[in-house]
Amino acid sequence: DAKTTQPPSMDCAEGRAANLPCNHSTISGNEYVYWYRQIHSQGPQYIIHGLKNNETNEMASLIITEDRKSSTLILPHATLRDTAVYYCIVRVAENQGGKLIFGQGTELSVKP
Amino acid sequence: EPEVTQTPSHQVTQMGQEVILRCVPISNHLYFYWYRQILGQKVEFLVSFYNNEISEKSEIFDDQFSVERPDGSNFTLKIRSTKLEDSAMYFCASSVVAGRRYEQFFGPGTRLTVL
Repeated sequence: DAKTTQPPSMDCAEGRAANLPCNHSTISGNEYVYWYRQIHSQGPQYIIHGLKNNETNEMASLIITEDRKSSTLILPHATLRDTAVYYCIVRVAENQGGKLIFGQGTELSVKP
Repeated sequence: EPEVTQTPSHQVTQMGQEVILRCVPISNHLYFYWYRQILGQKVEFLVSFYNNEISEKSEIFDDQFSVERPDGSNFTLKIRSTKLEDSAMYFCASSVVAGRRYEQFFGPGTRLTVL
């Protein structure tokens, strides 16, 4: 699985969009980009994933660059409850039951 | 919405004792996992389980660890002789393959404290 690079921390004002970057310059063609978050020692929570097209769900949007070497997770209207550590993970698509390899992630602090 | 549950939420044990951590995965899921997180550190993969056998394990998952799916609902992690360094949060997760969807759903964790 490809390695990812994320900033260790970010701040965001409540109500504003939070844009969390991730670099995965060695990603392979069959690897998906996954985002999880962990709120204060709770179990990690799945947010969104994508291959090459931009994706949106009720939690967030995922923007993947055309060369797939980086991506951005967007929380459109951040709330205090979005304060968490956000993990960007790339995984081989065919590795159906494969492990998740967590890095240090980005600690997002949403401030009033 | 279905969720992964884990019991107990907190387990305190003496060094050298055996502990069993229990998980109830989401009912139609086929893959099961254990991860751990030592305080202040990364979430680390321990083991994955599919079709009643271990499919992958990490270097952490040595002979002191074992997993079992004793019935159709529970998935357990046993540590035979606990060490101080086993103190951590242990997370169970499960997933199902549906098309290209492989996301893992995590439980709330069991905090294991070894004294």
